[in-house]
Amino acid sequence: GAVVSQHPSWVICKSGTSVKIECRSLDFQATTMFWYRQFPKQSLMLMATSNEGSKATYEQGVEKDKFLINHASLTLSTLTVTSAHPEDSSFYICSARGGAGTPPNREQYFGPGTRLTVT
Amino acid sequence: DAKTTQPPSMDCAEGRAANLPCNHSTISGNEYVYWYRQIHSQGPQYIIHGLKNNETNEMASLIITEDRKSSTLILPHATLRDTAVYYCIVRVAASTGTASKLTFGTGTRLQVTL
Repeated sequence: GAVVSQHPSWVICKSGTSVKIECRSLDFQATTMFWYRQFPKQSLMLMATSNEGSKATYEQGVEKDKFLINHASLTLSTLTVTSAHPEDSSFYICSARGGAGTPPNREQYFGPGTRLTVT
Repeated sequence: DAKTTQPPSMDCAEGRAANLPCNHSTISGNEYVYWYRQIHSQGPQYIIHGLKNNETNEMASLIITEDRKSSTLILPHATLRDTAVYYCIVRVAASTGTASKLTFGTGTRLQVTL
């Protein structure tokens, strides 16, 4: 149980275009989803937290107009990188957390990640 | 959440026990010790967590000192597939409903060798 998937697993896009990454909780309802970014040889950095049906809360320094997050259902969140530039190339990882009293009891589980390369 | 300190890297021979230390001297009474690992180019994987008693599951054992200021993650028989970065995180238990999001430090890079 507690499986989180991401799609696509990797994507290459041209500078100036937008790319959407999907994150799904496959066997539980994710009341909260998190988006992380990881540059090579660095640790994961939290970008934003979203609760289903609410606007995302962005970490300091993360541009909300550039990284659009939608969490419209309890099993799906999307991250759209708008007007992507080479410096946005990174490994994007989502994480999902369920509600109280339901598996996985608010523990955070992670997707496999999406590698974005902007050329 | 309390800050943790881990060695940047460790080596372990395959088949031997890997003991990964973590210091968390400022841990609060209601904070748990969580361990995650990240294999190269994958998302983090939950391993184990505990409050004050030692914990064991199918993946690992967690030993927490009596004063709770440090802990050790033990992989009893390390294999090459255990090569990963291991993160020790201290936070309020997720089940409390007030848990903060997971914040990752730099972790310990464990290299298991033949």
